[in-house]
Amino acid sequence: EDKVVQSPLSLVVHEGDTVTLNCSYEVTNFRSLLWYKQEKKAPTFLFMLTSSGIEKKSGRLSSILDKKELFSILNITATQTGDSAIYLCAVPNSGYSTLTFGKGTMLLVSP
Amino acid sequence: ETGVTQSPTHLIKTRGQQVTLRCSSQSGHNTVSWYQQALGQGPQFIFQYYREEENGRGNFPPRFSGLQFPNYSSELNVNALELDDSALYLCASSLEQTRTDTQYFGPGTRLTVL
Repeated sequence: EDKVVQSPLSLVVHEGDTVTLNCSYEVTNFRSLLWYKQEKKAPTFLFMLTSSGIEKKSGRLSSILDKKELFSILNITATQTGDSAIYLCAVPNSGYSTLTFGKGTMLLVSP
Repeated sequence: ETGVTQSPTHLIKTRGQQVTLRCSSQSGHNTVSWYQQALGQGPQFIFQYYREEENGRGNFPPRFSGLQFPNYSSELNVNALELDDSALYLCASSLEQTRTDTQYFGPGTRLTVL
């Protein structure tokens, strides 16, 4: 059974801090790993990672994958209150195209 | 916004009742997946529909059932509601069966079972 574990489960930081969110996974026939941001209801897509060691970057957010150690990290630099959200990590299931999610990391950025 | 819509936004039911949730996929998307997200948990896969056929199912009992229509919109039906069915129900649509990076989520339906 595919498995995704995220840590920490929750995190409180001050504006301007840098945070690192962790995601480890166990999956048969790995294809990719995805990060989503969930602010109120709908998760919104952030990154898809398929290759080890290649950083994906979007503004202050970046992510990298280690396929040997089976984990990924999501970094947010110079955090803002608008970064407060649940960050979800997911891997596609074997066999068909749906996703196994971790429990998420709830990030709160205080002013 | 993704163009995926869900209705209703929220609803309250009592144990034993039945509920139908609806999802309109993004234009042209032929695959719809349904997820259940309990409080403090990540979304859990219920089932997926591809071109009107069920294409896969997660670890949910048969009282969770679904449909996909020719316009690719979809319904999730839950019979004999239990307290543990209280959750946010998300649908996600995608263009092709295997393009998971293009799954677009709707805003969800918040179901409360009393």
